[in-house]
Amino acid sequence: AQKITQTQPGMFVQEKEAVTLDCTYDTSDQSYGLFWYKQPSSGEMIFLIYQGSYDEQNATEGRYSLNFQKARKSANLVISASQLGDSAMYFCAMRERFSSGSARQLTFGSGTQLTVLP
Amino acid sequence: NAGVTQTPKFQVLKTGQSMTLQCAQDMNHNSMYWYRQDPGMGLRLIYYSASEGTTDKGEVPNGYNVSRLNKREFSLRLESAAPSQTSVYFCASSDQGTGELFFGEGSRLTVL
Repeated sequence: AQKITQTQPGMFVQEKEAVTLDCTYDTSDQSYGLFWYKQPSSGEMIFLIYQGSYDEQNATEGRYSLNFQKARKSANLVISASQLGDSAMYFCAMRERFSSGSARQLTFGSGTQLTVLP
Repeated sequence: NAGVTQTPKFQVLKTGQSMTLQCAQDMNHNSMYWYRQDPGMGLRLIYYSASEGTTDKGEVPNGYNVSRLNKREFSLRLESAAPSQTSVYFCASSDQGTGELFFGEGSRLTVL
């Protein structure tokens, strides 16, 4: 079963509008972390935002916020006031513990390609 | 501020050839990872190293080997390259805090 599901392969948004990128996850761990990364066309992976499973407040970083709904197992990324430079691939990822508890790998979704229209 | 450095950035191989992707980090992180990225599939973990001296298989380890040479360096070797290994490879490291991954710039490998 998919651990991270991003159901929107592509999204379009008008410049200056807000957009929500969906992410649902599946885990039986009580302690986990959720991440969003941005990958522009140049290819590098850029960390955007992090939410811990025990964090009561939704994470925010500038124009990025994470809408964390634990009971629904969703961790949607909200980008406010979209800019042309926001056009990129966006990946949702989850950190669980290995059974050995010794490492902290991330499992990634398949990504959402966001295009911001002028 | 080098962060995670991986080489080479581009490589073209013929089927059956071997090569090693090199990765080094200067952030004193214990854990290092190799991922591959294919269209429509996100990033998939090939191998990881939780700490110096240990390595473990990830989701897609077949056809690869790794070496954690020291705390800084983690290399990925293709012994006999196959066209299915055409991909973009990312090395990453993580700290003991949130587990955020710090990525290298990626290595684009084409196997003909």
